[in-house]
Amino acid sequence: AQSVTQPDIHITVSEGASLELRCNYSYGATPYLFWYVQSPGQGLQLLLKYFSGDTLVQGIKGFEAEFKRSQSSFNLRKPSVHWSDAAEYFCAVGRDDKIIFGKGTRLHILP
Amino acid sequence: DTGVSQDPRHKITKRGQNVTFRCDPISEHNRLYWYRQTLGQGPEFLTYFQNEAQLEKSRLLSDRFSAERPKGSFSTLEIQRTEQGDSAMYLCASSLGQIANVLTFGAGSRLTVL
Repeated sequence: AQSVTQPDIHITVSEGASLELRCNYSYGATPYLFWYVQSPGQGLQLLLKYFSGDTLVQGIKGFEAEFKRSQSSFNLRKPSVHWSDAAEYFCAVGRDDKIIFGKGTRLHILP
Repeated sequence: DTGVSQDPRHKITKRGQNVTFRCDPISEHNRLYWYRQTLGQGPEFLTYFQNEAQLEKSRLLSDRFSAERPKGSFSTLEIQRTEQGDSAMYLCASSLGQIANVLTFGAGSRLTVL
């Protein structure tokens, strides 16, 4: 069965600190992988995507993610968070048709 | 390109009433998706269209739900005889071609069933 697991429901980090959000997936083949961000009252915005090739992908707003096939993981990282990064982050997987989302991780930023 | 538009943004209705949501995708996008998102959950896939053809429906889409995309442009999602469990954010997204071309989401239509 296809599934996405984001083990952390909430994460709190201090502004300026580094961030890592975890994502594990179960999929029959190597899927396409995505991270989306959702701010209150806003639509889902794509941060980055992985289709093939270099397993470290760069996205918008200074985010990056690394695909590790052996661990079925696609963790999102940022070296230094800003207060404006407070939002909900969704990992998603799919191929050819629909994509499936995880339940999300809500990021809180301490000043 | 004005993005994906959804209307209405908010709908409050009484149990048993019918509601309809509209989605206008990005004009050149041939694929259109509907997702549902409840509080504290990620978006759940409901259905998608390629042009006017509805290619897949989730088992979440009960007989009370129907979606159309009559001319391959805008789409409507109708819920008949609404129940309190239908309260959610209904998200529309569009893409050009297959998933590799990435989904662009609208801001959503929030439904509250009293």
